[in-house]
Order: sequence, then C-alpha cells, then structure tokens
Amino acid sequence: DTGVSQNPRHKITKRGQNVTFRCDPISEHNRLYWYRQTLGQGPEFLTYFQNEAQLEKSRLLSDRFSAERPKGSFSTLEIQRTEQGDSAMYLCASSSIKGRGFSYTFGSGTRLTVV
Amino acid sequence: KNEVEQSPQNLTAQEGEFITINCSYSVGISALHWLQQHPGGGIVSLFMLSSGKKKHGRLIATINIQEKHSSLHITASHPRDSAVYICAVRSISGSRLTFGEGTQLTVNP
Repeated sequence: DTGVSQNPRHKITKRGQNVTFRCDPISEHNRLYWYRQTLGQGPEFLTYFQNEAQLEKSRLLSDRFSAERPKGSFSTLEIQRTEQGDSAMYLCASSSIKGRGFSYTFGSGTRLTVV
Repeated sequence: KNEVEQSPQNLTAQEGEFITINCSYSVGISALHWLQQHPGGGIVSLFMLSSGKKKHGRLIATINIQEKHSSLHITASHPRDSAVYICAVRSISGSRLTFGEGTQLTVNP
C-alpha cells in the first residue's frame, strides 16, 4: 500500500465549470476525511466518512459541494459551478484504529485554481 | 479566537539552533498531532500525543493536558527541517482534526 493517493495533483478550471477530485485511502482505513487549505492557513474540515456513510459535514460545505464514498473505498469530491473563492488545496486523509494504535495519513492534495 | 493557536507564525533560525514551536488549544481533545508540510502541499504526521512526551530523532513533542498546551522542539536544526509545522487537535467526540495556522520554519545554513 502506497498511502493515500489523490488525483489530480493540480487542476485549473474556468469559473462556472464543475470539477471532481478523487481520493484513494489506505485500504484498511475505514474513515476518510476531506479538508480544504487556503494559502497561509491551516487546513479546514469539510466532511468525513466512516465506510460509505457520510457522518459529518462542515458548514463550509455549501450546496455546490458534494462528496461520496459509494463502496466504502475511494471517495470523490465534486464542486459544481466553481467560483474563484474555491481556489485552494483539497486534502484527503484516512484513519483507522488497530489494536491500541490510531493511524492518520494524509494525501498530497489536489491544488485547484479557478480562473 | 481560533480553537488552536500556534506561535510563532514565522521562525528563522541558524543551522544547529534549538527550536521550539508552541501550540495552545481551547477545547477538550482526545489527542494532539504535530504535522509537517513541505512546499507542494503534502502533509506528514510527526507525532500523535495524548499525554507526556515523545521523541523521534531530533524531534521532541510534549503536551500538558491540564494547561492545554503542547510544544514541538527540534534539536540541532538543519536546513532540511525548513517547512511549515502544524499543530492539530482531534476532538473527543469524533476523529476529525482542527488545525492551527502553522509555523513557517526556515533554517539557514
């Protein structure tokens, strides 16, 4: 297992277009998280899944944003009608509890630029 | 006021110096994470703490639960330590993280 994989690494899109990002977590991790990070700031929570169930969504996740994890494995984050304010790094992470250990791993992120 | 506050925001040091980055939080937590982020965005987990102290190589992390405070220390700093260091707390009720704004560390040769 090579860790948490995110695709694409970079995406440039015109305002108003839809974009979709993919995250492949570590295979045995049952929880998957999406965070957004703007320049010079720490990441902010967007949503998380336990298996295929979306358990929590931030108020930051407007109705233009939707996330899915249909089979409890990979996840997609879609942004509809993109706005310039959506430009950010979108980070995915996955976690699990095995034995007495808690493991939390981040992907390399997808950098979105809306022009 | 942010739930997680880091200081300093920016830190410049000379190679070999001892470095301390501080993190204070205002909520109950199940654990605190120290993370490292290099240009390009990838985040690497350095430590996860719920009490006491952990050491890995030249890095040491401590936490005081009563005072809601944690520190990350780097001994014998090196230019390759230059990165953004982020403190994040994991809530008691769930597993999502709340992040500080990060400390940009630059170590000059």
